[in-house]
Amino acid sequence: EDQVTQSPEALRLQEGESSSLNCSYTVSGLRGLFWYRQDPGKGPEFLFTLYSAGEEKEKERLKATLTKKESFLHITAPKPEDSATYLCARPAGGTSYGKLTFGQGTILTVHP
Amino acid sequence: SQTIHQWPATLVQPVGSPLSLECTVEGTSNPNLYWYRQAAGRGLQLLFYSVGIGQISSEVPQNLSASRPQDRQFILSSKKLLLSDSGFYLCAWARGIVRGYTFGSGTRLTVV
Repeated sequence: EDQVTQSPEALRLQEGESSSLNCSYTVSGLRGLFWYRQDPGKGPEFLFTLYSAGEEKEKERLKATLTKKESFLHITAPKPEDSATYLCARPAGGTSYGKLTFGQGTILTVHP
Repeated sequence: SQTIHQWPATLVQPVGSPLSLECTVEGTSNPNLYWYRQAAGRGLQLLFYSVGIGQISSEVPQNLSASRPQDRQFILSSKKLLLSDSGFYLCAWARGIVRGYTFGSGTRLTVV
């Protein structure tokens, strides 16, 4: 069974200080990977889907990249409003009926 | 456009009381529907999923049950709540897996 691990668990940045979040998984192979943003007390909000190694997608200050074994979410010059929990997820595989396995999330705090 | 409604937003229930959380989806037909639970500081745990009316699959043995009486309605229930049932419950829908999930706004359940 695939295990999805995110690191770090928490990340504190100063406004404008760029960094990256990691999402790794134990079952290699490209079944796709999803990134979500979750604000406190709310449901996760879809950010990106990645399917191919080398694929990159961008949205404002966020850029997601994918290899066969892991994905990175790069945050460039973050602002306080980027503070949230970022979750990654992988399809469970096989006859999975669209089930996703989620990582534990990275709590990002951006200080002004 | 598709929307997902989940209610109530917060709920405080005594141990041993029943539970009913409802989720409805608009703007799509025959969606895959999911119930997830998120404990504080942890990732999302899949509880139930459904690929059609009356079709429910359980992922984790527990004190909860789910039903899908209509195509776009998904209900999470319990006959007698336990303290360990406290958490943040999220409903989600998807059409296949290509575009990932769309989540509801969540229900914060506290069992006292």
